[in-house]
Amino acid sequence: VQLLESGGGLVQPGGSLRLSCAGSGFSFSDHAMTWVRQTPGQGLEWVSGINSDQRTYYADSVKGRFTVSRDNSKNTLFLQMHSLRVEDTALYFCVWVRGPLTHFYYLDVWGKGTTVTVTS
Amino acid sequence: EIVLTQSPGTLSLSPGERATLSCRASQSVTSIFLSWFQQKPGQAPRLLIYGVSTRAPGIPARFSGSGSGTDFILTINRLEPEDFAVYYCQQYGTSPGTFGGGTKVEIK
Repeated sequence: VQLLESGGGLVQPGGSLRLSCAGSGFSFSDHAMTWVRQTPGQGLEWVSGINSDQRTYYADSVKGRFTVSRDNSKNTLFLQMHSLRVEDTALYFCVWVRGPLTHFYYLDVWGKGTTVTVTS
Repeated sequence: EIVLTQSPGTLSLSPGERATLSCRASQSVTSIFLSWFQQKPGQAPRLLIYGVSTRAPGIPARFSGSGSGTDFILTINRLEPEDFAVYYCQQYGTSPGTFGGGTKVEIK
């Protein structure tokens, strides 16, 4: 299993960014996927998840601003981020879930992450 | 949302000693849906334990997990130099799957 994130960068507060995560080595459509972020020098925060049936879940801190989606034909996970805030600055990891649901199945393989910096 | 509180924040130990890390949940964690991860500087977290006590493939037997309900423990027997890192617990019984704040195991 391999995961490769991309799309991070520098953006001003209020701006938008779209992260991508290309998965390989597993049956992408059969598994839930999640996004987890880590602020500089801080802990981990579960951000968003999407089941194999496309049902989505969000942390309260990003609800209404972030949208998770997937393209199973391209084995790719997305995170569309709008109305970005300084506090969204973090390293964003794409994580493979060991089952079809974001809950009841554990997080297994992590990508290396992509960095999002929100600053004026 | 379930809040996970890890203690201590930092554990200072010598190689060969035993580390005992605590993870306490604000409400009972559904069934056995708790994991532990290890993270070293500049690296992504690595899965150590899932289902409270099941070691992930390739994880040495010196790592063990236990607990139930709201109290969980990660034990590392006979610390090796490569074990000095930050450890996180995470519950995945509900979405969002919340993480604890982490315990840093440092060399004394």
